[in-house]
Amino acid sequence: SQQGEEDPQALSIQEGENATMNCSYKTSINNLQWYRQNSGRGLVHLILIRSNEREKHSGRLRVTLDTSKKSSSLLITASRAADTASYFCATDQGNQGGKLIFGQGTELSVKP
Amino acid sequence: EAGVAQSPRYKIIEKRQSVAFWCNPISGHATLYWYQQILGQGPKLLIQFQNNGVVDDSQLPKDRFSAERLKGVDSTLKIQPAKLEDSAVYLCASSLGLSGGARFFGPGTRLTVL
Repeated sequence: SQQGEEDPQALSIQEGENATMNCSYKTSINNLQWYRQNSGRGLVHLILIRSNEREKHSGRLRVTLDTSKKSSSLLITASRAADTASYFCATDQGNQGGKLIFGQGTELSVKP
Repeated sequence: EAGVAQSPRYKIIEKRQSVAFWCNPISGHATLYWYQQILGQGPKLLIQFQNNGVVDDSQLPKDRFSAERLKGVDSTLKIQPAKLEDSAVYLCASSLGLSGGARFFGPGTRLTVL
């Protein structure tokens, strides 16, 4: 069953703007991961945040995690047309042999 | 470092036919996963191997799907017989260990069942 729920389902912005995607989940987690999927391609791992971390940065990516609200957000700053893709959050529940459960994804379109 | 390899990239079959997908994980990765991704949805785990043993196959439709990972390296996923609802992208992924960590995905096999 899907655990993560992304919001919004689709997002359209102009190049240079920031994009924020949210993810909510239901059960306790070991870590939460974000992946990107370009059309017709496999998924690419972007960033992992552990349950005892609140914020993490990687280049233009900023991820936050609020375990009390069971939610996470992914911020992409100064977006580029090449950031156009689907973004998925995935929760690692730790106690299930490392099972990673994906959400439905946010489809991001960055217009040049 | 070579990534996860999958073949074929595309496959079109008639319903009730059988099909097989192949995956070669990143060298040294002990854990291998098969995911099914239906259009517009996130990937759903079908089966997870640790070396050549099955860790989780709770969401594998065992009446028609089977998978093996002989010698703890390459893996094959088979569907026999296929149904229309099996049309999806089948993604193989691997990771270093069992607990946590990033998954590295292959390009996927797009299956169309007519």
